[in-house]
Amino acid sequence: EAGVVQSPRYKIIEKKQPVAFWCNPISGHNTLYWYRQNLGQGPELLIRYENEEAVDDSQLPKDRFSAERLKGVDSTLKIQPAELGDSAVYLCASSRRTGGGWGYTFGSGTRLTVV
Amino acid sequence: QKEVEQNSGPLSVPEGAIASLNCTYSDRVSQSFFWYRQYSGKSPELIMSIYSNGDKEDGRFTAQLNKASQYVSLLIRDSQPSDSATYLCAVRGNGNQFYFGTGTSLTVIP
Repeated sequence: EAGVVQSPRYKIIEKKQPVAFWCNPISGHNTLYWYRQNLGQGPELLIRYENEEAVDDSQLPKDRFSAERLKGVDSTLKIQPAELGDSAVYLCASSRRTGGGWGYTFGSGTRLTVV
Repeated sequence: QKEVEQNSGPLSVPEGAIASLNCTYSDRVSQSFFWYRQYSGKSPELIMSIYSNGDKEDGRFTAQLNKASQYVSLLIRDSQPSDSATYLCAVRGNGNQFYFGTGTSLTVIP
């Protein structure tokens, strides 16, 4: 099965510019997550979707971050305007319950550098 | 208090030795526990999952879970230089939340 696909892999932008990331989860995975990972830290949840509904966005900085998951499949994460502190790797993951437990897979991530 | 706590390390072990990685969690209702390996510049990769108390072995890896103590560990036997990476502990909370620790950096010295 195809994995979680993210694009772009790398993005360099100037501060105050907008940026968007895209994620295509594994087929059949209803739950989608966006994480931010700073260097030397574990992933921190930004938002979790169950199908097209955002069920946990308490850690999403809503003044500048937005996300959507139209039709419960692909998702986009947007930052506008970007700040220097937003430089990080943005990871998308998807999951579903399997017979023996949980399948939970990360995409390759988007490394954002804000200059 | 963070949901998941790990020693950040770095942890260094000689090749062939046993590496022991530890993790504690705060939510008593957590039911699913995972260990991820993350190489530098790469995304996390699932290596072990454990759902019930006791040990679970998969090749050179053994996950241990003690729900009473809210403690999860990962043992890597016969450590190899290719095991050098950051190991992330993750806990699935109520519903579908996954919480990650900050990771433990492991270096296996040839």
